[in-house]
Amino acid sequence: DAGVIQSPRHEVTEMGQEVTLRCKPISGHNSLFWYRQTMMRGLELLIYFNNNVPIDDSGMPEDRFSAKMPNASFSTLKIQPSEPRDSAVYFCASSLVQGANSPLHFGNGTRLTVT
Amino acid sequence: AQKITQTQPGMFVQEKEAVTLDCTYDTSDPSYGLFWYKQPSSGEMIFLIYQGSYDQQNATEGRYSLNFQKARKSANLVISASQLGDSAMYFCATHSGGGADGLTFGKGTHLIIQP
Repeated sequence: DAGVIQSPRHEVTEMGQEVTLRCKPISGHNSLFWYRQTMMRGLELLIYFNNNVPIDDSGMPEDRFSAKMPNASFSTLKIQPSEPRDSAVYFCASSLVQGANSPLHFGNGTRLTVT
Repeated sequence: AQKITQTQPGMFVQEKEAVTLDCTYDTSDPSYGLFWYKQPSSGEMIFLIYQGSYDQQNATEGRYSLNFQKARKSANLVISASQLGDSAMYFCATHSGGGADGLTFGKGTHLIIQP
């Protein structure tokens, strides 16, 4: 079974550039989550979707961050313009929410470096 | 809101010994789930084990077991007969209700198994 697929695995960009991270969730899953991981702040939930609809984006740090889920099999997280403090590992995760015992299945992450 | 506390930033354990990783949680919801994830140095997040708040018995998955003490709001992970491949970061996480709103993670414990 294919897991959650994220691309690219690594992204190095210069400050001010636009960055787009991509995610393909597990087929059949109805929820999708974007997390950011840093040494200082650990794993932070940025935004999540249920049935392709954004439910809570209160974790998005600034207006420079935006996320979309145009269909059940694709989501993007965009940073425009990027800043050095955005450097982190960004994880996408999906789940099939049927009750309390719904683990999140994570992709391998995108390591973003903004210089 | 939920909160997870992992008080052990790092642990060194001899191979073949049992390991207990501490996790305490705080939630006001009567229905919640508790999860443990492993993150090896390669970076992926691997789901290990789940415990529901209404489960009568402690969860077990192979060498992993969850020591669930509801009154103490404790959900410690026990790894029996540790192996070198168990060296990794371990994260405790929780969600409440139906689980559609994602997981809240602790800061993690860095476990190093020594030969």
